[in-house]
Amino acid sequence: GAVVSQHPSWVICKSGTSVKIECRSLDFQATTMFWYRQFPKQSLMLMATSNEGSKATYEQGVEKDKFLINHASLTLSTLTVTSAHPEDSSFYICSARDPPYGGHGETSTDTQYFGPGTRLTVL
Amino acid sequence: SQKIEQNSEALNIQEGKTATLTCNYTNYSPAYLQWYRQDPGRGPVFLLLIRENEKEKRKERLKVTFDTTLKQSLFHITASQPADSATYLCALLRGGGKLIFGQGTELSVKP
Repeated sequence: GAVVSQHPSWVICKSGTSVKIECRSLDFQATTMFWYRQFPKQSLMLMATSNEGSKATYEQGVEKDKFLINHASLTLSTLTVTSAHPEDSSFYICSARDPPYGGHGETSTDTQYFGPGTRLTVL
Repeated sequence: SQKIEQNSEALNIQEGKTATLTCNYTNYSPAYLQWYRQDPGRGPVFLLLIRENEKEKRKERLKVTFDTTLKQSLFHITASQPADSATYLCALLRGGGKLIFGQGTELSVKP
């Protein structure tokens, strides 16, 4: 099956510093990846859609200058939390979209394969 | 606005029994619905997808139903095992491949 990795799995940083999180699709190419944030006992909240070769699109209420997303290749998307503050502490999860098929009678199921998540703690 | 609701209360059942989880949605007509499993501190893992023209889908001990009239999906785990203990999330597809998730139901299967 499709495998998505994230690095690091956890990070602790001081307030005001920037943190970069990597998301990689290991055995397939993903033109679209998604970044989510999850607070304890809550559901996943979509932050942004990362498209290879173009700018990310952000959900309403998500600051694009604070959460920088780069999707430089078909297997890598990065999320940089700039000038992190304690309220940014959360569990960040990426996912890669099941690539669409065509011409063979099959259609994409839009299944997403999720990374294991990155626990960010800002002191 | 689109809303997905899952039973927020944890579900505790005895090993061997069938667990039934509910997912209700409003203001939406999804082409399909997905169920995921999430273990603590981990990302969700895809389990099953059911399309709007399918009433039921099965995979091993898992069964999902989809009632577009009631706007409800039921997720069943038969012959449940302690290893099935996790949080189960339902998700609906928005445009552009985006998923909206319910808040999840925590299942605990006691030996």
